[in-house]
Amino acid sequence: GAVVSQHPSRVICKSGTSVKIECRSLDFQATTMFWYRQFPKQSLMLMATSNEGSKATYEQGVEKDKFLINHASLTLSTLTVTSAHPEDSSFYICSVQWRGDSLHYEQYFGPGTRLTVT
Amino acid sequence: AQSVTQLDSHVSVSEGTPVLLRCNYSSSYSPSLFWYVQHPNKGLQLLLKYTSAATLVKGINGFEAEFKKSETSFHLTKPSAHMSDAAEYFCVVIGAAGNKLTFGGGTRVLVKP
Repeated sequence: GAVVSQHPSRVICKSGTSVKIECRSLDFQATTMFWYRQFPKQSLMLMATSNEGSKATYEQGVEKDKFLINHASLTLSTLTVTSAHPEDSSFYICSVQWRGDSLHYEQYFGPGTRLTVT
Repeated sequence: AQSVTQLDSHVSVSEGTPVLLRCNYSSSYSPSLFWYVQHPNKGLQLLLKYTSAATLVKGINGFEAEFKKSETSFHLTKPSAHMSDAAEYFCVVIGAAGNKLTFGGGTRVLVKP
């Protein structure tokens, strides 16, 4: 499998400020990463697909100007929440796409980032 | 399009007794299915996966799941629950493009001593 890290693990910011969350693939080069959002006691919702060297693909209903994704290298994708508001408070999780020893893809997840906007 | 339904939002078991987490899927093609576990404030850990090989799949920590095409099910079981199994479990199907995951709603497992 793949090892994925996220930084920071927790962040508290004031309303109106921007926050950057990093997702790193530690042991292989990931051309594709994914960003998810998870509200308390709910399942994960895919926000966007991050492709190295190209623009991210956003899911319907996700504001691309609010959630800026940059995948500048094969080991790092960043999610920036711009002009954060309390309703952006959530658990953000990234994953990397890995094609193992079969023809099928797997996803390995980071530990998540808890964002609280006050 | 594909979808996943986890039939129980909460499951409560006593330590040492069997655990059954039910999952049904809908897919227009032969799917790849996964079970992930999430402990509080943590990311997701892959428990096991089905990718059209053996229908009975063994995973980590004593979990296993059986793919039943006729029933469109992929239920997760463990013969004897441990306190450390208390967590949220997600049944997941992978999309036709081979990368997007569709998550079930999750099942929260409570293990009583």
